Amino acid sequence: DQQVKQNSPSLSVQEGRISILNCDYTNSMFDYFLWYKKYPAEGPTFLISISSIKDKNEDGRFTVFLNKSAKHLSLHIVPSQPGDSAVYFCAASVTQGGSEKLVFGKGTKLTVNP
Amino acid sequence: DAGITQSPRHKVTETGTPVTLRCHQTENHRYMYWYRQDPGHGLRLIHYSYGVKDTDKGEVSDGYSVSRSKTEDFLLTLESATSSQTSVYFCAISTLRGTAYEQYFGPGTRLTVT
Repeated sequence: DQQVKQNSPSLSVQEGRISILNCDYTNSMFDYFLWYKKYPAEGPTFLISISSIKDKNEDGRFTVFLNKSAKHLSLHIVPSQPGDSAVYFCAASVTQGGSEKLVFGKGTKLTVNP
Repeated sequence: DAGITQSPRHKVTETGTPVTLRCHQTENHRYMYWYRQDPGHGLRLIHYSYGVKDTDKGEVSDGYSVSRSKTEDFLLTLESATSSQTSVYFCAISTLRGTAYEQYFGPGTRLTVT
């Protein structure tokens, strides 16, 4: 049973436009959510996170929105740049004071066309 | 950069042989993790450690064992490699960032079992 779902395997957008990546979860115990970006042949890199007590977190061009009632979060990238082309993973965890175990979605491959 | 290195970066081995992958960190992090990444599955937790000689199983632990005799090293062993263990393996550490723990990943080891 998939607890974290990214239903879009791929997304293609034009440079300068908005990219919206979506993620749904089923476990209501999750209280922390993260987005990772992954380039080929590299490890995932942390991008942005949000606690369940918030509904929005912004960091430069990246904003994550959380809708707890819908168990849905989204990552907005504005404006999108060709260097943003990568696989994006959504992850969720239950706060445990350090030993958090992340549950990942399957990823969405974003392609930003010049 | 969380000071994580993995070795080897690439390995080809035959079915039935033992294989050990090493994760090394230089920043004295208490929590360390091993994940595998496969197409269509995202990242899945194999084992994790919450201190020297303290380890526990993750979601896909069958066929794997781990050891942590020093804070800086977390070893993943495939006692008898099988073709289903062909994958990319990532090590991660957990560190407190603000009020929440977040995970940072190493560069990965690509393992092929023939």
